[in-house]
Amino acid sequence: EIVLTQSPGTLSLSPGERATLSCRASQSVSRSSLVWYQQKPGQAPRLLIYGASSRATGIPDRFSGSGSGTDFTLTISRLEPEDFAVYYCQQYGSSPRTFGQGTRLEIK
Amino acid sequence: EVLLVESGGGLVQPGGSLRLSCAASGFTFSRHDIHWVRQATGKRLEWVSAIDIAGGTYYAGSVKGRFTISRENAKNSLSLQMNSLTVGDTAVYYCVREFGEPGNWYFDLWGRGTPVTVSS
Repeated sequence: EIVLTQSPGTLSLSPGERATLSCRASQSVSRSSLVWYQQKPGQAPRLLIYGASSRATGIPDRFSGSGSGTDFTLTISRLEPEDFAVYYCQQYGSSPRTFGQGTRLEIK
Repeated sequence: EVLLVESGGGLVQPGGSLRLSCAASGFTFSRHDIHWVRQATGKRLEWVSAIDIAGGTYYAGSVKGRFTISRENAKNSLSLQMNSLTVGDTAVYYCVREFGEPGNWYFDLWGRGTPVTVSS
């Protein structure tokens, strides 16, 4: 199965700053079949990005995804207070679908 | 409102059984494959099981033979029958909708989850 490794584990930034989150796969993710989710405590994960770079409905344009093959990035251009949460990547190109371990984005 | 709401979680002894349910609303349930995904405390999310629109079922190796997924489209509901539970099954269980197009199917809607604790 494909193992996804996210880095960093924790990212401490201030509102207004730019956040760059990484997701690296142990083997190539077919057809850029990678998504990013945001999760806040006690809430369901929320889909942000699918197909590595397409924003889901209703997601602000400060969120962007890029990458292909084994290296993927989620960028938040200017952090808003509501963006501080845990972010997960997940691949759906191969079975079983697998997830990264998450990056916690915290307020500095 | 488009929603998935899980229920049925709780505390169960090792070797016991539990049945989880997921109620869907706000969309045409029968047109979507539905999955269960779980997350143990401090661990990454783990895909558990899926049922497609034709009723085909799929399981992770760790639960195959112990868990049974089923759906009742007329009631917009999904179930997960969990037998022979072990402490390793302790997690929050999420009901998840699959969405997309051929060759590009992904999880677009998650419930809030229901916690399952297996402990003596």
